[in-house]
Amino acid sequence: AQSVSQHNHHVILSEAASLELGCNYSYGGTVNLFWYVQYPGQHLQLLLKYFSGDPLVKGIKGFEAEFIKSKFSFNLRKPSVQWSDTAEYFCAVNAHGSGTYKYIFGTGTRLKVLA
Amino acid sequence: DAGVTQSPTHLIKTRGQQVTLRCSPISGHKSVSWYQQVLGQGPQFIFQYYEKEERGRGNFPDRFSARQFPNYSSELNVNALLLGDSALYLCASSPTGTSNTGELFFGEGSRLTVL
Repeated sequence: AQSVSQHNHHVILSEAASLELGCNYSYGGTVNLFWYVQYPGQHLQLLLKYFSGDPLVKGIKGFEAEFIKSKFSFNLRKPSVQWSDTAEYFCAVNAHGSGTYKYIFGTGTRLKVLA
Repeated sequence: DAGVTQSPTHLIKTRGQQVTLRCSPISGHKSVSWYQQVLGQGPQFIFQYYEKEERGRGNFPDRFSARQFPNYSSELNVNALLLGDSALYLCASSPTGTSNTGELFFGEGSRLTVL
C-alpha cells in the first residue's frame, strides 16, 4: 500500500534560517509528487509538483524540492524563511497513470517562523 | 475567478444522523474529489468524480456516498453518523480527469462535528 512519511511534525525556525522538510514515500511504481501548504485560516494550495524530468523542481515563494528516486524522497527546501512562511506543509503522492486524483498525503509539518 | 466553494462551512450533527455536504468546482473544472481530514492527520481520499462518473473510491464504508451533477457540482452524503466521522471534509476540483496533467485545487472545507 502507498504511504507517505513526514518526519518532522513541528519545526520552529528564526527568520532567514534555512528550511528542509523531509518526505519519504512508499510505492513500487512511478509517482507524481506534490507539496501543498496551508496558511492559517486558508485552504490548501499547491507549492510545487513533480511529474517527470528534472528532479529539482521550483515552486512558488522561493520553495524548491528534489526528487531522489533511489531514496523514495521528495524533500522541500527554502534557503531563507520568512515569518509569512508560517503554515502547515503537506507532502503527497499519486500513482502515475492511475487515472485518478487519489493523493496519499503525509501527516503534515507545522512550521512556525519567529520574527 | 471564484475558487472551489463548499457549504456549509460548519455543522454539528448527532450520532445516527445523516449529512449532505456540497461543493462547487472552479468554473471549467470537470473533476471533483472529496477528502476527509481528521485533526492532526493529512487529508484522506474518499471519492473522485469526473464527468459525472465515479473515477475512484477510497477505503471508506458504504455509509459514504457522493454524486456529481451535470453542472459538475457535487454532493457528499454520510449516513448513520459516528463520532469518528468528525472531521474537515475537503472538496477539490481539477480541470482534467487524470492527475498526470493536472493538480488539485482545494476548497476551505466543511467542518463536521458529530456529538
